[in-house]
Amino acid sequence: ETGVTQSPTHLIKTRGQQVTLRCSSQSGHNTVSWYQQALGQGPQFIFQYYREEENGRGNFPPRFSGLQFPNYSSELNVNALELDDSALYLCASSLVSEETQYFGPGTRLLVL
Amino acid sequence: EDQVTQSPEALRLQEGESSSLNCSYTVSGLRGLFWYRQDPGKGPEFLFTLYSAGEEKEKERLKATLTKKESFLHITAPKPEDSATYLCAIKAAGNKLTFGGGTRVLVKP
Repeated sequence: ETGVTQSPTHLIKTRGQQVTLRCSSQSGHNTVSWYQQALGQGPQFIFQYYREEENGRGNFPPRFSGLQFPNYSSELNVNALELDDSALYLCASSLVSEETQYFGPGTRLLVL
Repeated sequence: EDQVTQSPEALRLQEGESSSLNCSYTVSGLRGLFWYRQDPGKGPEFLFTLYSAGEEKEKERLKATLTKKESFLHITAPKPEDSATYLCAIKAAGNKLTFGGGTRVLVKP
């Protein structure tokens, strides 16, 4: 059974740029959620995708957007990067019928 | 609004010194309470899901319990490899997990 994978592992961008992060869900899982984790804090929910549609969103501005593909993999796009966007971005996959979410290793984003 | 508070923020233990971590929550309609372990710079690793008050789950040196207002993660006779941040999260209406700030545990040999 393949776990959740994310790419890239690390990324450095400058303020105002755009970034795309990628996630492959665990084998058999049809739902992908994205979280932002600032240093020393718990993860904050960004949004969830199911059947290629956004299926819930946290308190993040529209410059955070996503996609889900037919193979259940997903992308997180962030436009007009700000310094405060520096964080660990986590992807979690699950079955829509179950509550437990399984996390990937994360992508560390640094905005300079 | 759903809220999760974890205490203490940090815990230093000697190897073999058992202790408990607390997760207090306020929620309308709990669908699940989750414990994760997170090593520095890595993603959270799933430990337990608890669904209703009175439920208990165990895995090696860890035991999680749930009441209507809080959950405890008991670490029995910890080893240095149990050093990590332990995260508690809840799920209510909607699809998001709401996390606490975590408890950083350091087990010294």
